[in-house]
Parts: sequence; structure tokens; C-alpha cells
Amino acid sequence: EAQVTQNPRYLITVTGKKLTVTCSQNMNHEYMSWYRQDPGLGLRQIYYSMNVEVTDKGDVPEGYKVSRKEKRNFPLILESPSPNQTSLYFCASSSKGFRETQYFGPGTRLLVL
Amino acid sequence: GQNIDQPTEMTATEGAIVQINCTYQTSGFNGLFWYQQHAGEAPTFLSYNVLDGLEEKGRFSSFLSRSKGYSYLLLKELQMKDSASYLCAVMIDYKLSFGAGTTVTVRA
Repeated sequence: EAQVTQNPRYLITVTGKKLTVTCSQNMNHEYMSWYRQDPGLGLRQIYYSMNVEVTDKGDVPEGYKVSRKEKRNFPLILESPSPNQTSLYFCASSSKGFRETQYFGPGTRLLVL
Repeated sequence: GQNIDQPTEMTATEGAIVQINCTYQTSGFNGLFWYQQHAGEAPTFLSYNVLDGLEEKGRFSSFLSRSKGYSYLLLKELQMKDSASYLCAVMIDYKLSFGAGTTVTVRA
């Protein structure tokens, strides 16, 4: 089954404790992206990747890091999480970049205390 | 930043038609997407417009006017399961910018 998976689905952590949210897709997609969703603000793009070893900033990259060492995986790293990073995070992927449908993962709900 | 506006909420009756407008002022344009998102779930793709005009897909249609920076999503023969948020998103180069979303409530 074609899908985008994220782990963990729910996470409670404390300020400053490094964490990684994993994202994996099994569709051989080149393009992958991370978003956060906050009430009243909608979805905002954090980082995106056009292919292996190619990443770029979205609209709200501060406080986040990403890497794309393999085509299928695109982890999101919070080196020193802060309470304002409490949010719902979605990973998405698509083939051939931006003109194709993006498939979203199920979401990761993060609470930073 | 990019400016993408859509109404916050809309209510309609089952079987009726609802039109969700989206206006945008952006630094570029490579296409406009509409997504549907049910509460607690991930967004799912509805439509993509890159040229002016109307794209029809069953009960859903999407329209684009690039010169006016305007799009709408038309939902016909509304069903209860259409109660959801509808997200307008503009692609600029390889970045996707979303509006805040329109929550549609369908009443019996």
C-alpha cells in the first residue's frame, strides 16, 4: 500500500531535549516536505527536499533541521525544542516535485513543556 | 510573506451548493491546490489548477483566474461527509503556501 508514515504519532517532551520525528514514504517520490499546523494559521511549510542531499527552507525553518540521506526518509530534527514548537506536524511527499499531488502522512502531535 | 485569504467558516444544507473563495497575493505562481482535511486527519488532495478556467471532478470543481489572483472551490450536492476544512494552497517555485482554511459545516 502506498503511504507516508510518521513516528511517533504523539510526543510529550520538555524544553531543550533533542528529538527526531521520522518520515518515510514507499512511493519512490523525489519531493518531500515538512509542515506544521496551528489553529488560525493553517499549514506552514518548514523544510522541503527535491531529492537526496537537496534540501531548502520553507516559510518557518527556525529551530528545525532536516536531512535527506536516502530517498525514502526525511527526518525532522528539533535540536532544542521550545514550547512555541508545540504543534501538529505533517510530512508529505510527491513525485517529480511541485506539480504533482502531495500525499500527507498521518501527523505527529508534539507538546513541548 | 505570501498572502492567501479564504473565509474562516461556511455553513450549508445537505444537497445544496457551496462556493469557497480564495484570493492570493504572492511573489510567484506555479499552481493552486485545494485540499480537504477532516478533523484530526491529514489533508487529502482535491484539485490542482495552473491555467485559467474551470476543472471539474465529480461533485467538486475548481476555478482559477491568475490575473485576478482568485480561485474558488465549488462543492455540489453537499453530503454530511463533506463537513471538513478546505485548504487553498499556492505553489511558488518549490514552496507551498497555505491559506488558514475554511471550515464547512453541512447541516441536515
